[in-house]
Amino acid sequence: TQLLEQSPQFLSIQEGENLTVYCNSSSVFSSLQWYRQEPGEGPVLLVTVVTGGEVKKLKRLTFQFGDARKDSSLHITAAQPGDTGLYLCAGAPGTSYGKLTFGQGTILTVHP
Amino acid sequence: GAGVSQTPSNKVTEKGKYVELRCDPISGHTALYWYRQSLGQGPEFLIYFQGTGAADDSGLPNDRFFAVRPEGSVSTLKIQRTERGDSAVYLCASSLGLADYNEQFFGPGTRLTVL
Repeated sequence: TQLLEQSPQFLSIQEGENLTVYCNSSSVFSSLQWYRQEPGEGPVLLVTVVTGGEVKKLKRLTFQFGDARKDSSLHITAAQPGDTGLYLCAGAPGTSYGKLTFGQGTILTVHP
Repeated sequence: GAGVSQTPSNKVTEKGKYVELRCDPISGHTALYWYRQSLGQGPEFLIYFQGTGAADDSGLPNDRFFAVRPEGSVSTLKIQRTERGDSAVYLCASSLGLADYNEQFFGPGTRLTVL
């Protein structure tokens, strides 16, 4: 059983479309992070959300942390082919500092 | 400055052999982490170090896996008697410290294939 459940697992869309990726858990996290990973590379941190209800924006990407700090979402507006990649949510439950638990990831493909 | 580097980038070995995977963290980062990523999955925690000591090795799957960081910088992940199920990408990451939401910087990984 995954501590962090991501959905959908696969997403194939056309350039210009919007999309949302979800990350859900039954556990409370002090913070959640979103990473993007390209083939042959390690994950690269996009954002960290810390406060329940927090919303952070990074250009066309909007990240939200649930009020109860058990879930998060990533919304991409007007997706571009350069957004293609594996998106991962991760968090350290409780006080397990550094011991990140990752979701299984969402593979996003944006077609021109 | 240089990021996290890992060597080798690819390692092919035969079942039963011993392998060593090396990680060079970002200079000045005291915390170092090892993760394993199977195809189509997110990374899975193995072990992390604060300085020279293993702060948490609860993710190591069994006693065939061992990791060291003797001088608090470079780390080596050692796998004895490799099995086909050990095939995966092994990722290393480092961070300034061990506090919550310290950004972890990942290396490109070592792809291990056990034949």
